[in-house]
Amino acid sequence: AQKVTQAQTEISVVEKEDVTLDCVYETRDTTYYLFWYKQPPSGELVFLIRRNSFDEQNEISGRYSWNFQKSTSSFNFTITASQVVDSAVYFCALSGRDRDDKIIFGKGTRLHILP
Amino acid sequence: KAGVTQTPRYLIKTRGQQVTLSCSPISGHRSVSWYQQTPGQGLQFLFEYFSETQRNKGNFPGRFSGRQFSNSRSEMNVSTLELGDSALYLCASSQRFMNTEAFFGQGTRLTVV
Repeated sequence: AQKVTQAQTEISVVEKEDVTLDCVYETRDTTYYLFWYKQPPSGELVFLIRRNSFDEQNEISGRYSWNFQKSTSSFNFTITASQVVDSAVYFCALSGRDRDDKIIFGKGTRLHILP
Repeated sequence: KAGVTQTPRYLIKTRGQQVTLSCSPISGHRSVSWYQQTPGQGLQFLFEYFSETQRNKGNFPGRFSGRQFSNSRSEMNVSTLELGDSALYLCASSQRFMNTEAFFGQGTRLTVV
């Protein structure tokens, strides 16, 4: 069975600090996809990244970076120099490779960036 | 281009009633999925439709049903509402498959009293 665990329920940091959101997953598939989504107060989930299990290179996009480690089944997300606008709930998710595979979401981490 | 539109945004219903929620995907997107979000259970997958066919289904009772029209718009229906059905219902669309980049609507907040 597939499972995504986000152990951090809620995190608060002061603006400009760096913060890392943890994500640990379980799957028996050898090929799978990992995702991060952001849910601001407005409610809609915003896609941040999709990573194929064969691509273990870390990714950086502006202040956002992702560390994928297959050996520890983790896909952590770091925000550098956090800003108040980063306050949101962040979800890590997992899907199999087949086109009709559903996406399994973690419970989410609520991030508060304090001014 | 316009994003995913869900209507209504808020809804209050009484136990035992039924409700229909609507989702208009991004133009050109053929896959529409529905999720239920509650504080206790998080985001749970309800079902996915592609070209008017249900392609996948989550573990929800038969009171939850959906459909997709030829223009890719989708509706979900919940019959015999229970208090536990109170949740944010989110719709997502993608071009072909859900395990690619998906775009979510702002959701319908359903309260059952």
